Amino acid sequence: DAKTTQPNSMESNEEEPVHLPCNHSTISGTDYIHWYRQLPSQGPEYVIHGLTSNVNNRMASLAIAEDRKSSTLILHRATLRDAAVYYCILRDGDNQFYFGTGTSLTVIP
Amino acid sequence: EAQVTQNPRYLITVTGKKLTVTCSQNMNHEYMSWYRQDPGLGLRQIYYSMNVEVTDKGDVPEGYKVSRKEKRNFPLILESPSPNQTSLYFCASRAGTGTYEQYFGPGTRLTVT
Repeated sequence: DAKTTQPNSMESNEEEPVHLPCNHSTISGTDYIHWYRQLPSQGPEYVIHGLTSNVNNRMASLAIAEDRKSSTLILHRATLRDAAVYYCILRDGDNQFYFGTGTSLTVIP
Repeated sequence: EAQVTQNPRYLITVTGKKLTVTCSQNMNHEYMSWYRQDPGLGLRQIYYSMNVEVTDKGDVPEGYKVSRKEKRNFPLILESPSPNQTSLYFCASRAGTGTYEQYFGPGTRLTVT
């Protein structure tokens, strides 16, 4: 069974915020939450990661629920270049990465 | 330019014919990993390596071998490929313990007939 579950697809209007949800109800205390995105015909690229606290970087913000069973990736102003498949991933203490099936984000001009 | 390279990018082969997909990184990273990507399944980790001569199984290691004789190279070996190994393969690297950003190669599309 997948360790993370995400909606298959989402749409957003350009320049509006986007909230991409992820459920990881079986997360263990030492698992990190990572987000990567994959543009068409490319390998995934790192977006953000966190353990317990909310995180911000130049690309996005990560909001982690208090019980850590879910998280949300927030793109503050979607651009056309943000159209991609976004993966929610758990990294365990043995450095294994467990990808979800991803959310395909469409940005509407 | 810092990068992860994979060769070949595309490969069509027949069942049972041994093949190797090479992966090389020029960032002096300790950690390297192989994934396969299949429709509806996302990416699944095949093998990973924390350093030279140290390799561990990922989620789907059956039918694959790896080696890490040099820090920069991490080849993926299919001794006897089968059609269910038709997939898109990605190699990735990251600096090491305490780091978090993986850098992915461009992918190798393998078809086994």
